[in-house]
Amino acid sequence: EVQLVESGGGLVQPGGSLRLSCAASGFIFNSYDMHWVRQVTGKGLEWVSVIGTAGDAHYLDSVQGRFIISRENAKNSMYLQMNSLRAGDTAVYYCARAVRSNFGVLYGMDIWGQGTTVTVSS
Amino acid sequence: IQLTQSPSSLSASVGDRVTITCRASQGISSYLAWYQQRPGKAPKLLIYAASTLQSGVPSRFSGSGSGTDFTLTISSLQPEDFATYYCQQLNSYSLTFGGGTKVEIK
Repeated sequence: EVQLVESGGGLVQPGGSLRLSCAASGFIFNSYDMHWVRQVTGKGLEWVSVIGTAGDAHYLDSVQGRFIISRENAKNSMYLQMNSLRAGDTAVYYCARAVRSNFGVLYGMDIWGQGTTVTVSS
Repeated sequence: IQLTQSPSSLSASVGDRVTITCRASQGISSYLAWYQQRPGKAPKLLIYAASTLQSGVPSRFSGSGSGTDFTLTISSLQPEDFATYYCQQLNSYSLTFGGGTKVEIK
């Protein structure tokens, strides 16, 4: 079964750090770009970051310089190191698999995890 | 790139035809996807490349548009379709989502 499972969420004080993990199974992990998307409770979806198959990364402007995305293909896992956390980072964080055309056009995110909750509060 | 969805919410009955629009702040060709999210669940990809149905998605869902204006249509609303729908642009990073359209039971 194709599956993504996030972990690592929790309560952290402002200015603190947290590392989220995303474990993949059921597909060839190193062949896919992987994304993080977050959602504040009751609000909309917000794209956070992506890591390509070659390790190239892009970030939402508001997390650039604070968050670091990485992947460990040997462990079929992706990570999000979150530093200098703010109250505004409080959300459910989803990992998601990117789907592309045969020519590399990004189509969207076809597999999602169940999410892990991050709460930044004193 | 900003995406503006309308309406933000709507009430409809089973069997109704429902149309949701998504407008991009600049042209994005056909690099647009639509997602459905039920309460407490992760989003589900419905349509990609503006008009291509994802595998396993019922044919009552359809998408159209290119450039800056896009629509998602549900031809005959079913009970399981009551959810929130999001568009997403895939033209350039950072990727952005529309604000969502909540489809509620009338």
